[in-house]
Amino acid sequence: QVQLVQSGAEMKKPGALVKVSCKASGYTFTAHGITWVRQAPGQGFEWMGWSSAYNGNRKYAQKFQDRVTMTTDTPSTTAYMELRSLRFDDTAVYYCAREAEDSSGILDSWGQGTLVTVSS
Amino acid sequence: DIQMTQSPSSLSASVGDSITITCRSSQSISTFLNWYQQKPGKAPKLLIFAASSLQSGVPSRFSGSGSGTEFTLTISSLQPEDFATYYCQQNYVTITFGVGTKVEIK
Repeated sequence: QVQLVQSGAEMKKPGALVKVSCKASGYTFTAHGITWVRQAPGQGFEWMGWSSAYNGNRKYAQKFQDRVTMTTDTPSTTAYMELRSLRFDDTAVYYCAREAEDSSGILDSWGQGTLVTVSS
Repeated sequence: DIQMTQSPSSLSASVGDSITITCRSSQSISTFLNWYQQKPGKAPKLLIFAASSLQSGVPSRFSGSGSGTEFTLTISSLQPEDFATYYCQQNYVTITFGVGTKVEIK
């Protein structure tokens, strides 16, 4: 079955960077893109961007354009999201999600989430 | 950005009730609208895609309708496991989510 398993919780200081991994299994990795979404405590969801596991194409939300990098590694079937220059308001649960079709925006399978806490 | 507005923000209902949640977009999105269910501490689960298509494995008591700017999610005959928060999401231009509707037990 399709499974996305994310890396564990992180605690970071302001200005640091965090890199979250998302290990995919149970499907052909290169046939689907990976989207990253975050959810601040008690809040709704915020789309951060998308990366294609097929051709490496990426699209980032304008808000994160200069701070985020999303990559995929086919041999290890793992996607990564790196967020730099962390701020207090980056504290959130970060989710990876598989796109039903590459860049479709339909998120049919999700990772369990990674809590990133930014604290001094 | 396309803004998504859900109503109500919360509702109380009993097992066996039928409920409807409404989602409106700030511009026309055709049928590029999906619905998700989220339970506390868990990742969201896709219920409905393309406004009205039932995701594989999702019970048929869930249904979606609408196009353009107004959409609905209906749950007929609520079950105990349906008490959760529901989010709409547009994928017409990038992705944005509604703020959620919490369905609680009356």
